[in-house]
Amino acid sequence: DVKVTQSSRYLVKRTGEKVFLECVQDMDHENMFWYRQDPGLGLRLIYFSYDVKMKEKGDIPEGYSVSREKKERFSLILESASTNQTSMYLCASRVGGAYNEQFFGPGTRLTVL
Amino acid sequence: QKEVEQNSGPLSVPEGAIASLNCTYSDRGSQSFFWYRQYSGKSPELIMSIYSNGDKEDGRFTAQLNKASQYVSLLIRDSQPSDSATYLCAVNEGGTYKYIFGTGTRLKVLA
Repeated sequence: DVKVTQSSRYLVKRTGEKVFLECVQDMDHENMFWYRQDPGLGLRLIYFSYDVKMKEKGDIPEGYSVSREKKERFSLILESASTNQTSMYLCASRVGGAYNEQFFGPGTRLTVL
Repeated sequence: QKEVEQNSGPLSVPEGAIASLNCTYSDRGSQSFFWYRQYSGKSPELIMSIYSNGDKEDGRFTAQLNKASQYVSLLIRDSQPSDSATYLCAVNEGGTYKYIFGTGTRLKVLA
């Protein structure tokens, strides 16, 4: 069974804090993704990793960085959280290859005060 | 700007009816197409993928693809109140690793 987990379901942080969101998949998938989802804007890609230590910027990478030191784990880092980063953050993974299905984790609802 | 368009709804159907959800996309290079269901406050759950023109059936769900018209649809037969959710259409962006998501259609199945 496909399993993607995220470190927190709900998180509240203060402006300026450094925030770490973690995602773990147990399916040996090569590709992992971080999205944010906001009402009316849909899912927007922040970063993509196609293999260990490999990453590419998505559509909205500003204010974010990522780390993938192990195949199963993909971390999203907010260097200095701001209120406009309040959002639902979704991690996804898939078997390598552009045509394959993505599977999502449960999401982290981040509020930045 | 490559786009995936969905009617935001809500689409209301009575219990037991067929719900028809539609999606159009702009990228002619797209090769794979997906439907996700998302309950309020939850993450998207994959329900169907389709890669070739025509119909693909899985239980009460049928996905339909017409690449010439750049059109994907999802039919839900015998709709149940538990099908009430937002349905997201996703399309791979041709030549890249990326998916383009529509903003979703909210479906309400009335008991």
